[in-house]
Amino acid sequence: QAQLQESGPGLVRPSETLSLVCTVSGHSLNSNYNWGWIRQPPGKGLEWIGNIYDTGETNYNPSLKSRVTITLDTSRNQFSLRVTSVTAEDTAVYYCARGDYGFDWGQGTLVTVSS
Amino acid sequence: DIQLTQSPSFLSASVGDRVTITCRASQDISNYFAWYQQKPGKAPKLLIYATSNLQSGVPSRFSGSGSGTEFTLTISSLQPEDFATYYCQQVDSYPRTFGPGTKVDIK
Repeated sequence: QAQLQESGPGLVRPSETLSLVCTVSGHSLNSNYNWGWIRQPPGKGLEWIGNIYDTGETNYNPSLKSRVTITLDTSRNQFSLRVTSVTAEDTAVYYCARGDYGFDWGQGTLVTVSS
Repeated sequence: DIQLTQSPSFLSASVGDRVTITCRASQDISNYFAWYQQKPGKAPKLLIYATSNLQSGVPSRFSGSGSGTEFTLTISSLQPEDFATYYCQQVDSYPRTFGPGTKVDIK
């Protein structure tokens, strides 16, 4: 079982870039699993953002694709999320997870977009 | 994108009840399907993967079934700790999508 922990600023200004890091322990990123990001606006449902494989191959939700980048740092056993040009609609709890089936999740981090 | 609909969206039930939640997909997704439980302020927890496989540590009162476009989550005897919101998810194609959720409340 892997332990995942999201970290990053809790407040981002509109039009700026949201950056989060997921630190993984207990499991190597160089594995048969992909590593993903999911978000949940306050009081709403889950939205899949994208994922990355250990090869560096990425898949993104088309609704966000032009603004999202997911990268991998195997030396630190971390993967990262960047969302550019944020608006209030990007306010959400952001989760990182292991595998398409979400075998393990981080606790989530609330990111608020506000001036 | 594959759209998922869940029914009911809200369910009121008593401890000991048998509960069934249904998720329908807009197209065939084979068995690439999962169920999650989420409690307030917590991350979702995987219950069932690949339609019917019970995740390690999940009580056996939870079971999943289905194929094609219709899937079900059954709780054979509802326990106090099962009151939560349940989400379905397809991982057959990109983008991965989730259902809107079913909230199970105490009757």
